[in-house]
Amino acid sequence: EAGVAQSPRYKIIEKRQSVAFWCNPISGHATLYWYQQILGQGPKLLIQFQNNGVVDDSQLPKDRFSAERLKGVDSTLKIQPAKLEDSAVYLCASSTKYEQYFGPGTRLTVT
Amino acid sequence: AQSVTQLDSQVPVFEEAPVELRCNYSSSVSVYLFWYVQYPNQGLQLLLKYLSGSTLVKGINGFEAEFNKSQTSFHLRKPSVHISDTAEYFCAVMGSGGSNYKLTFGKGTLLTVNP
Repeated sequence: EAGVAQSPRYKIIEKRQSVAFWCNPISGHATLYWYQQILGQGPKLLIQFQNNGVVDDSQLPKDRFSAERLKGVDSTLKIQPAKLEDSAVYLCASSTKYEQYFGPGTRLTVT
Repeated sequence: AQSVTQLDSQVPVFEEAPVELRCNYSSSVSVYLFWYVQYPNQGLQLLLKYLSGSTLVKGINGFEAEFNKSQTSFHLRKPSVHISDTAEYFCAVMGSGGSNYKLTFGKGTLLTVNP
């Protein structure tokens, strides 16, 4: 069974630029999550999708972050414009119920 | 809402020694509990989970954890560690009553196994 795929693995941008991350979940997993993991901290949930509907986006900074899940499969997370404090690893996960499966993450550096 | 406290940010041990990584949680509802491991430059991998039943849970790579409801703890243990166990370990909690399956993570414990 293929795991959760994410791209790119690494991205370096300057502040005020925009960036997008892509996630392909495990086939058949209805729930998809985006997490932000700042160095030295645990992952923090940004947004949760159930199929292509948003379940929880309470911690998503909506003035600069946006996410969509087209056709209930792939998802993209966008940041526009980026700030220095957005430097982090962005993790995508998918699940059927309790157990979440994580992708390798995208390490974003904002300079 | 739930929260997780991992009491040690770093735990250095020697190879073949036993180890315990401590985790306490706070919740107003019943919970499910998880331990994840993260190797450098990789995503998180589930080590073990407690959903119900026996409070002693066995996971992969020889790890086990015990759910203690009265002390609101879920400590992770391994009787003999290997160099390859060097990684970051995260404890996480999920409220059992709802249906949104949302995880709240602790800040992590870096386990370093020295030869």
